[in-house]
Amino acid sequence: EVQLVESGGGLVQPGRSLRLSCAASGFAFSDYAMRWFRQAPGKGLEWVAFIRNKAYGGTTEYAASVKGRFTVSRDDSKTIAYLQMNSLKNEDTAFYYCTREGNDYVSDYWGQGTLVTVSS
Amino acid sequence: DIQMTQSPSTLSASVGDRVTITCRASQSISSWLAWYQQKPGNAPKLLIYKASTLQSGVPSRFSGSGSGTEFTLTISSLQPDDFATYYCQQYHTFFRTFGQGTKVEIK
Repeated sequence: EVQLVESGGGLVQPGRSLRLSCAASGFAFSDYAMRWFRQAPGKGLEWVAFIRNKAYGGTTEYAASVKGRFTVSRDDSKTIAYLQMNSLKNEDTAFYYCTREGNDYVSDYWGQGTLVTVSS
Repeated sequence: DIQMTQSPSTLSASVGDRVTITCRASQSISSWLAWYQQKPGNAPKLLIYKASTLQSGVPSRFSGSGSGTEFTLTISSLQPDDFATYYCQQYHTFFRTFGQGTKVEIK
């Protein structure tokens, strides 16, 4: 059974950093690209970051709203994806979801999400 | 970025009703469209991809159609478990974008 479990969320002050983890199981993690999305409480969904699998160089892409502040990475030996978030802003407050990008380029499995609250 | 517009924003319906939600893209996305269902406190769940392909395990009362810029999600006979918010998402471009959501409420 495919499982994605996010952790690392919490309350953080503006300007500080936080690292989210996404522990994957039930599939060949190293073969898949991973994407992060977020959803502000009561709002819609926004794509945040993407990391390709090693076969495609493990390269990364970011939404304009987080580029230069967020860094996505992966450890295939541990089957974990990470989202390092620096210089956090109030508007980064959201539930953060990691997803697996399936063979049809769609996010077919989602974690349960972790809440990041940026507030002084 | 490609803008995705869903209608209606809210839909009131009864168990057994046929329900249709529309999603329009600001430019052609071929069939690169997915539909997700989200219930309060839960992550989105993939229902349909490539505009009309049912994800494994999803009940057959859900169906999708369309291509280019106009798409629909249809629930043939609404069940109590279907009251939720539904989102369309384009994956024609790398920068995925979603519709604003359609909340299906009990009438």
